Amino acid sequence: QKEVEQNSGPLSVPEGAIASLNCTYSDRGSQSFFWYRQYSGKSPELIMFIYSNGDKEDGRFTAQLNKASQYVSLLIRDSQPSDSATYLCAVRNSNYQLIWGAGTKLIIKP
Amino acid sequence: DAGVIQSPRHEVTEMGQEVTLRCKPISGHDYLFWYRQTMMRGLELLIYFNNNVPIDDSGMPEDRFSAKMPNASFSTLKIQPSEPRDSAVYFCASSPYSGGSTDTQYFGPGTRLTVL
Repeated sequence: QKEVEQNSGPLSVPEGAIASLNCTYSDRGSQSFFWYRQYSGKSPELIMFIYSNGDKEDGRFTAQLNKASQYVSLLIRDSQPSDSATYLCAVRNSNYQLIWGAGTKLIIKP
Repeated sequence: DAGVIQSPRHEVTEMGQEVTLRCKPISGHDYLFWYRQTMMRGLELLIYFNNNVPIDDSGMPEDRFSAKMPNASFSTLKIQPSEPRDSAVYFCASSPYSGGSTDTQYFGPGTRLTVL
């Protein structure tokens, strides 16, 4: 079992709809959780992080964390074609290391 | 701030040649990370430094890979001799340290390495 798991996709979502990206992790001692976006041919860039159970909103993005279920998600409201990218989930584990998922490719269809 | 700077952006070399990748982290950041990304294996951590000292190099694939950080503003990743399977995008990232768990890594633009 991988430490951080994501569905590789591609996940295809119509423009204007809500895109839901999911990530599960194995280390119950994990402290914080990061979502990065990576456009093709570019480097990963931080979208947001979350460390408390519940929801955290930033513009069209909402991160959701459920530590009991070891599950973190990213919702993108009013999806735009410019949101098409690979989304990487990263988890800071109990050893303070950042463990990366393989990423989910998101395609927003106009 | 200019962000993390990497050079070269693209490198094409022949098998057996030495390759040196360079990185300048964001000023004031305590941590520097070297990653490799391929389609098959995703993003892999190779090595990271704290205050110029290598902390964990367990991700370095083999002895052909070496990394140094002679000062707070410069690091190199060297591959000698290079092999076709080393072809990948190599990212450098840096991070501040505030003692909290939300310290964020900032990535450079990457070096796309092709070994023929």
